[in-house]
Amino acid sequence: KQEVTQIPAALSVPEGENLVLNCSFTDSAIYNLQWFRQDPGKGLTSLLLIQSSQREQTSGRLNASLDKSSGRSTLYIAASQPGDSATYLCAVGGSYIPTFGRGTSLIVHP
Amino acid sequence: DTAVSQTPKYLVTQMGNDKSIKCEQNLGHDTMYWYKQDSKKFLKIMFSYNNKELIINETVPNRFSPKSPDKAHLNLHINSLELGDSAVYFCASSSRGMGSDNEQFFGPGTRLTVL
Repeated sequence: KQEVTQIPAALSVPEGENLVLNCSFTDSAIYNLQWFRQDPGKGLTSLLLIQSSQREQTSGRLNASLDKSSGRSTLYIAASQPGDSATYLCAVGGSYIPTFGRGTSLIVHP
Repeated sequence: DTAVSQTPKYLVTQMGNDKSIKCEQNLGHDTMYWYKQDSKKFLKIMFSYNNKELIINETVPNRFSPKSPDKAHLNLHINSLELGDSAVYFCASSSRGMGSDNEQFFGPGTRLTVL
């Protein structure tokens, strides 16, 4: 059974720092890995989807990498801003059963 | 244009009641999901539907019954509500449930409170 772990569980940083959020998974037989952002009381917003054959994806200040063989993905946030404060979730795509990690709660203070 | 919508946004009810949550997607996707997010924010899949057919039921009590009248809709009916059912329920959709380009899109969630 797939298990997904996200480290750290919480992170508080000053504005302007570059950040790395980690996601690890136990079963490397995945279709893809998707990173989401969840603001308090809101739904999930898709940030990046990395297909199983890809190594990384970029969108603006976000860069996500995938290493299937080691069961790891990282989300890199460059030059963090207070508006980046949210919970970041990774989801590993299996056959009709996506599995989520418990998220990293990020606070970026001015 | 809302891609995945859910109603109601909030639902407060008494223990023992029966309630329904509706979900609609206008993305033309084949696969829809229901997730439960508990008080600790852990998101766990409950059901997967593909082309109106149940694919996965992840150890959910049979008090929960999903119904898909067509590909664009997946409703969740809950009988005999219990205190432990209090959570946020999210509907999601994706193109076909599997495959490397299968990206999920989520609705805004329904916060269910059972008193």
